[in-house]
Amino acid sequence: DQQVKQNSPSLSVQEGRISILNCDYTNSMFDYFLWYKKYPAEGPTFLISISSIKDKNEDGRFTVFLNKSAKHLSLHIVPSQPGDSAVYFCAAMDDKVIFGPGTSLSVIP
Amino acid sequence: DTAVSQTPKYLVTQMGNDKSIKCEQNLGHDTMYWYKQDSKKFLKIMFSYNNKELIINETVPNRFSPKSPDKAHLNLHINSLELGDSAVYFCASSDGTRANYGYTFGSGTRLTVV
Repeated sequence: DQQVKQNSPSLSVQEGRISILNCDYTNSMFDYFLWYKKYPAEGPTFLISISSIKDKNEDGRFTVFLNKSAKHLSLHIVPSQPGDSAVYFCAAMDDKVIFGPGTSLSVIP
Repeated sequence: DTAVSQTPKYLVTQMGNDKSIKCEQNLGHDTMYWYKQDSKKFLKIMFSYNNKELIINETVPNRFSPKSPDKAHLNLHINSLELGDSAVYFCASSDGTRANYGYTFGSGTRLTVV
């Protein structure tokens, strides 16, 4: 029973363009959402988060949007860079962090 | 200077053996976790300790036993290893039980049971 879903296993984007990674969740009690980035043979690293009382949080090239009514969030990366190529995990919090299955992003030079 | 370090990085062992994975964090965090990333790449929480006390224990076989000698260490001992235990195990830490600032993960231990 997946509470956090990322329906796109992979995404390819040209360098300089926008990357949009999507995430859906089922539990309306989640009150905090996070995005993690993972390179091969490394642990996930925290990227950006958003509280359920907000609908947008921005940090440099990374912006997370939250649509509570749709139980949907998205991560926008603009402009995309080759170093952004990694697996991106969406996550949600109740008393612990629950991860989605990840989306593998490839940024093509 | 590694914040969350796990050893070993790779572990290959036979079915039925007992093995341990060690984790240490030097961030001064109160809470530590073990996550398992299975073959489908899902990251699932197994255990959480806050200041040496077990606070989360998901549905994990009792062959898995976490041990926290102090708040900077959380080790994972696995008895009678099975083929299905093959996975990457990640240790993580956070500042408090409500990790509003994200977890810090170790680089993972790839366990292969043959």
